[in-house]
Amino acid sequence: DTGVSQNPRHKITKRGQNVTFRCDPISEHNRLYWYRQTLGQGPEFLTYFQNEAQLEKSRLLSDRFSAERPKGSFSTLEIQRTEQGDSAMYLCASSFGPNLAKNIQYFGAGTRLSVL
Amino acid sequence: KNQVEQSPQSLIILEGKNCTLQCNYTVSPFSNLRWYKQDTGRGPVSLTIMTFSENTKSNGRYTATLDADTKQSSLHITASQLSDSASYICVVSAVYGGSQGNLIFGKGTKLSVKP
Repeated sequence: DTGVSQNPRHKITKRGQNVTFRCDPISEHNRLYWYRQTLGQGPEFLTYFQNEAQLEKSRLLSDRFSAERPKGSFSTLEIQRTEQGDSAMYLCASSFGPNLAKNIQYFGAGTRLSVL
Repeated sequence: KNQVEQSPQSLIILEGKNCTLQCNYTVSPFSNLRWYKQDTGRGPVSLTIMTFSENTKSNGRYTATLDADTKQSSLHITASQLSDSASYICVVSAVYGGSQGNLIFGKGTKLSVKP
């Protein structure tokens, strides 16, 4: 399978603990995105990388959240001091193409986080 | 305020029947509109993408229409199959210098196809 891969698929943690998720995009894709999706809602944009550069961060990305893409390939999303409100599905997507507004994003299956 | 509203919130149909899902948006300035299919526990999968000048686009049994004047889109599913059971999400892209924060997602329509 050469699609977007996310690990782990599920994560259960206690409030106050730190968690880290990994996303491996489609190999030739230079853009990588993180979204958060809660039950019954559409995905909400968190942050976006072009190659290794983090070009945009949403207001949703509080200072407890940090994302990296050190070599322009895989990315990690870390949440420090987790809160129950962080429980959600975290989706990663990747894309490639010259037209940023029209490029199609390919999504991974997501990491479901449950904070107890 | 940029918003994407979808209706109905949920829909149950019998296998083999057709259905139409609606999307109204107030996003400006408009760049393009996308429909995604999201199976339970999976990430969204792109079905169609339409720009301002495109009125309709098909992908197999899925046909999307766009009326940029009334800011409405619809997704028509023909001869539904059990595998069509999923959430269908309408996504509108605004033009803000390429900002990805301006992909505005609807909440989706949850479609259940029964045998």
